[in-house]
Amino acid sequence: SAVISQKPSRDICQRGTSLTIQCQVDSQVTMMFWYRQQPGQSLTLIATANQGSEATYESGFVIDKFPISRPNLTFSTLTVSNMSPEDSSIYLCSVEGGIRRYTEAFFGQGTRLTVV
Amino acid sequence: QKEVEQNSGPLSVPEGAIASLNCTYSDRGSQSFFWYRQYSGKSPELIMFIYSNGDKEDGRFTAQLNKASQYVSLLIRDSQPSDSATYLCAVNINRDNFNKFYFGSGTKLNVKP
Repeated sequence: SAVISQKPSRDICQRGTSLTIQCQVDSQVTMMFWYRQQPGQSLTLIATANQGSEATYESGFVIDKFPISRPNLTFSTLTVSNMSPEDSSIYLCSVEGGIRRYTEAFFGQGTRLTVV
Repeated sequence: QKEVEQNSGPLSVPEGAIASLNCTYSDRGSQSFFWYRQYSGKSPELIMFIYSNGDKEDGRFTAQLNKASQYVSLLIRDSQPSDSATYLCAVNINRDNFNKFYFGSGTKLNVKP
């Protein structure tokens, strides 16, 4: 299994500012995923980050709001830009891993963001 | 249409009973299916995966898959208070040349002592 470290674990931010969340994996992985989990809700996939190419965003998410970097095979960042209270959520980094034909998703501990 | 649909619950069962959790999925291209458990304030953790029709048992947990009906279920036998959590159903779908994981809204399970 992959060990995923996210920073910061939590933050309180002013509206209109931006926050960059870092995700570090202890092994090289091809794909990294960013999810959002709003209070009481399930995980919603924001984007898929592949090293060396632009991230692929899901419907309802755009690069200007959630720019993603993927400089190497063990690291990625997600920026939440021009924040509003509606962006208050837990943001989770995930990687695909496993030795079997069918892999599973592993998660970091998440970043709890509160926008005031 | 959401990729995965679940009843949000809460589902309450007495200790020792069988808890039955269900989900349906919309994309017939879904390749594999997962049940994650998420305790409040924690990240999801995998408890079962299944990719063939039928049942798969692991300890007190049994996952069931019916691809014709696009239906996945999780049975928890001899439920314990420590099983109280939100259970997320997930599917793995190849889209945009990537294997992506999509999650249901989760079913909250309460096991009463």
